[in-house]
Amino acid sequence: QVQLQQSGTELVKPASSVKISCKASGYTFTSNYMHWIRQQPGNGLEWIGWIYPGNGNTKYNQKFDGKATLTADKSSSTAYMQLSSLTSEDSAVYFCARARRGTWYFDYWGQGVMVTVSS
Amino acid sequence: DIQMTQSPSSMSVSLGDRVTITCRASQDIGNYLSWYQQKPEKSPKLMIYGATNLEDGVPSRFSGSRSGSDYSLTINSLESEDTGIYFCLQHKQYPYTFGAGTKLELK
Repeated sequence: QVQLQQSGTELVKPASSVKISCKASGYTFTSNYMHWIRQQPGNGLEWIGWIYPGNGNTKYNQKFDGKATLTADKSSSTAYMQLSSLTSEDSAVYFCARARRGTWYFDYWGQGVMVTVSS
Repeated sequence: DIQMTQSPSSMSVSLGDRVTITCRASQDIGNYLSWYQQKPEKSPKLMIYGATNLEDGVPSRFSGSRSGSDYSLTINSLESEDTGIYFCLQHKQYPYTFGAGTKLELK
């Protein structure tokens, strides 16, 4: 069955960077777009961007240009998101989510990674 | 950016109620809308895609509809397991945007 297993909780300092992972299993990793979504306290969801692991192409929400960098490792079926220049505003839960092949809706989600930015 | 105005923000409902949640799109999104349910401390779950299509495994008491720029999620005969937060998502135009969410609670 399809699973997206994300890395664990992160406590990071302001101005630093963090790289979180999303390991996919149960399907052909290179055949589906992988999206990343942020959920800040209070529930609001924001779309960050996508990566297509088949060729490494990416698309970002302009709001996250320079903040988020999406990569994928085909050999380990793992997608990554690096967040840089962290501030308290970046404290949130970050989800990876798979788009069903040929569509743009998210049929499987990771469990989420809580990132807390604090000195 | 396309704004998705979701209402109501919260509802206190009773078992067996018929519940309707609405998202209004600020621009044409066609049927590029999906609905998700989120339980506390869990990731969202796809409920409806393409505005009106029920995801496999989702109970048939859930349905989606569209009237112009208004998109609705309806739950017929609410069950206790249906509590949680519901979000809409438009994926017609970048950046994809979510509704602010509707929290369903039992009275």
